[in-house]
Amino acid sequence: SQTIHQWPATLVQPVGSPLSLECTVEGTSNPNLYWYRQAAGRGLQLLFYSVGIGQISSEVPQNLSASRPQDRQFILSSKKLLLSDSGFYLCAWSVPASSYEQYFGPGTRLTVT
Amino acid sequence: AQSVSQHNHHVILSEAASLELGCNYSYGGTVNLFWYVQYPGQHLQLLLKYFSGDPLVKGIKGFEAEFIKSKFSFNLRKPSVQWSDTAEYFCAVNTPGTYKYIFGTGTRLKVLA
Repeated sequence: SQTIHQWPATLVQPVGSPLSLECTVEGTSNPNLYWYRQAAGRGLQLLFYSVGIGQISSEVPQNLSASRPQDRQFILSSKKLLLSDSGFYLCAWSVPASSYEQYFGPGTRLTVT
Repeated sequence: AQSVSQHNHHVILSEAASLELGCNYSYGGTVNLFWYVQYPGQHLQLLLKYFSGDPLVKGIKGFEAEFIKSKFSFNLRKPSVQWSDTAEYFCAVNTPGTYKYIFGTGTRLKVLA
């Protein structure tokens, strides 16, 4: 069966520090991968998605970037965090070449201080 | 641009009451529609989905949703809620053939025992 992992589960970082959040998927090949930010009262905001290694599409221009160095690994990064980067970050995957449902990871709670 | 509206942000019901959560989307073409649920402390998971065919779809745990194309709506219903239905519910839209999903802002449901 397929599983999706995210780490760390929680993170407290000072303003101006770098960020790296990791997401890995097991049990499937060539998944579509997604990064979302969930903010209270604002739902899920799509940040990035990827349909293959090295292929990243950005939905919201901001202080974050994403990379997909391996088929089932998706990384969210920042060189210098802002206070506004605080939030709950969710990784998700879906079956490639389809519009089937997405499967979400447990999320990372990021607090920028 | 596509958008999804969930007008009920917080709903409080007593056990055995009936539930209807509204979802409206803005896109006029063919869409895939989803309801996701996030129980306290758990991953976001799929409740039900609509791709085509019978506009009344049934999901897990006794939930159902009706797609009304003329109203651009996909409302979620349950005849009799239970305390365990306390969760946050998200409506989402996807255009077939694309990888982008648009989520609503969510509805927090609290069921009183």
